[in-house]
Amino acid sequence: NAGVTQTPKFQVLKTGQSMTLQCAQDMNHEYMSWYRQDPGMGLRLIHYSVGAGITDQGEVPNGYNVSRSTTEDFPLRLLSAAPSQTSVYFCASSPGGAGANVLTFGAGSRLTVL
Amino acid sequence: DAKTTQPTSMDCAEGRAANLPCNHSTISGNEYVYWYRQIHSQGPQYIIHGLKNNETNEMASLIITEDRKSSTLILPHATLRDTAVYYCIVTNAGNNRKLIWGLGTSLAVNP
Repeated sequence: NAGVTQTPKFQVLKTGQSMTLQCAQDMNHEYMSWYRQDPGMGLRLIHYSVGAGITDQGEVPNGYNVSRSTTEDFPLRLLSAAPSQTSVYFCASSPGGAGANVLTFGAGSRLTVL
Repeated sequence: DAKTTQPTSMDCAEGRAANLPCNHSTISGNEYVYWYRQIHSQGPQYIIHGLKNNETNEMASLIITEDRKSSTLILPHATLRDTAVYYCIVTNAGNNRKLIWGLGTSLAVNP
C-alpha cells in the first residue's frame, strides 16, 4: 500500500497563478483533509471531506477550493496564488467513526509563491 | 475541545526511556488523548491514543492519570530516529475537524 500520496513535492508559483495539489489514498478511508503548516504555528485545517461528494471548510479555507468525486482523491486548488499561501501542505486520510482521528499523512507539498 | 500544555523541548540519551508529559486539565469525559509525532520535514505520524486506561503498542506507551488531567507518552528505548516534534491532542473520537495542533514538544535524542 502506498498510503497517502501527494504531488508535487515542490512547486514555485508567481502571484496570481493557479494550481492544483494532488492527494490520493489507497486505504479506502472515508475522511480526507488538507492542512497547511507555517513556521511557528501548528497545523491548520484548510478543508476536509467525510466522503465522496461531501466537503466542508476548515479553519483557513479562503483562497482554496476542494472537491471529492471519488473516495481515493482529494485535490486542493489554489485559485489565485498569493505570497501568504507560501507554506507546506499536508493531505491526510482516516477511517470514519471511532478511527476518525487516526490520521495517515502524506509526505507534504512545499509551495512557494513569489 | 480541551487545550493541552506541553514543554517546548526535551532531551533524552539514546537507549534511555523518553517520557513526554502533557497537561490537559480541562479534558471532558468523552475526550481522548492522541499523540502524533513529526520527524523533520515529514508528515505527522500517529503514535497512540487512549481514553482512560493505559495503552501500549509497538511504538510507545501512554500513561493517563486517574483524574485524566495529564498524560505521559513513553518511548521505552529512545533511538536517534525518535528525534521529532511530539504533539499531544485531546478531542472527541469521531470527528477529526477538531484536532488542534499546537507546537508540541521538540524531543532531541542524543548519542
